[in-house]
Order: sequence, then structure tokens, then C-alpha cells
Amino acid sequence: GIQVEQSPPDLILQEGANSTLRCNFSDSVNNLQWFHQNPWGQLINLFYIPSGTKQNGRLSATTVATERYSLLYISSSQTTDSGVYFCAVVRGSTLGRLYFGRGTQLTVWP
Amino acid sequence: GAGVSQSPSNKVTEKGKDVELRCDPISGHTALYWYRQRLGQGLEFLIYFQGNSAPDKSGLPSDRFSAERTGESVSTLTIQRTQQEDSAVYLCASSLVNTQYFGPGTRLTVL
Repeated sequence: GIQVEQSPPDLILQEGANSTLRCNFSDSVNNLQWFHQNPWGQLINLFYIPSGTKQNGRLSATTVATERYSLLYISSSQTTDSGVYFCAVVRGSTLGRLYFGRGTQLTVWP
Repeated sequence: GAGVSQSPSNKVTEKGKDVELRCDPISGHTALYWYRQRLGQGLEFLIYFQGNSAPDKSGLPSDRFSAERTGESVSTLTIQRTQQEDSAVYLCASSLVNTQYFGPGTRLTVL
């Protein structure tokens, strides 16, 4: 399979701080997604971003496919940003099983 | 529109019993996936359906696990003779082209 490594594993921030989460993957991919798993367990889609840069409000993501990494930026963090952030990839197609990283546990304090 | 729905939301069963978990994908989504998440762990792939066929079922952990999909819609995941290590949240996702959308999951507890 394909290896997906996320860093850091844990991140603790004060409200208002900025952060960068990283995802490295071991092979070329045709599909990369970022998810936020909230404290109730729901997986929320953040970005579909196999390459390039996207922004959605305070969140943005960049994937450099040729160097096999993706970055998720969170600006002006809020307590509601707390949870686990997962990066997941599909190898060889846009459809098929997602290979997940182990996630980054983010805690934002007021 | 409606998202992916799963039922039941919680299931408590005794070791050795069979359980059925249900997933209703987003209408029109041809691809459907089952994943499992043990407490404090990442997501573990179980099976992928494209329409009614399963081109990838490599993640099913044993022959106690089976899944079917009928009418390119609803899918059921069946676990026979449940064991305590089967306790987890079972998540279903569906997609049309590339983005997978997840349901809320079924929390299975095997006593």
C-alpha cells in the first residue's frame, strides 16, 4: 500500500494562533483529501486537493504532488477547530480506497 | 440534499451474535465504501463497491465479515459471530467522481 505520514501528531494552540499541518505520502496519488473529525466523531470534508492550492475561509491547503506532500493551513484558530485532522489519499485513480494518515490532534484553548 | 446515513447509530451486542449495519449513500453516488475506526485510531478500509460489484474487498479482516449492495443504493455490512475486537465505529462513505463523503457511523460494542 501507500504510506501516509502526518505531522505533528498533536498540536495545542491558543485561540487566534495560526498553524500548519503536514502530510507526506510515499507514492504518486490522483486523489488527496483533508478531513476534520469533530469531537462527536463526524468526518467533515475540508478539501479535495490532489494538486495546487485552495482556500476556504480561514483554511487553505497546498499539495505539491511532485514532491509528495500536502499542507493544511489554519489561520486565526478558534475553539471549534479542535479535533483530529486527517489526510487521505487514493493511489492510481480518483476512485478507490482512501489510505489515511494517523491524524493530527488539534486542541485550541480560549 | 441528504448526506450519507447509517443505522443503527449505536449497537450493543453479545459476543458470538451476528450484527447487520446499514448504509444509505448520497443519491446517485455509484461508489460506496466501508471503513472501521477503533478507539483512538485512524480509519481502516474494509470494502469498496462500484455499483453492485466490489472491486476491492481486501480490507475485510476475516470471513466473518461480509457486505453486499443492492440496486446501486443501500449497502449492508454483516459481522457474524462477533468478537470483542470487532468493537469500533463503522463508517460508510460514498462518492461520485472523487470526493468521499462520510456518514455519522455506527458505534458497535461487543460485550
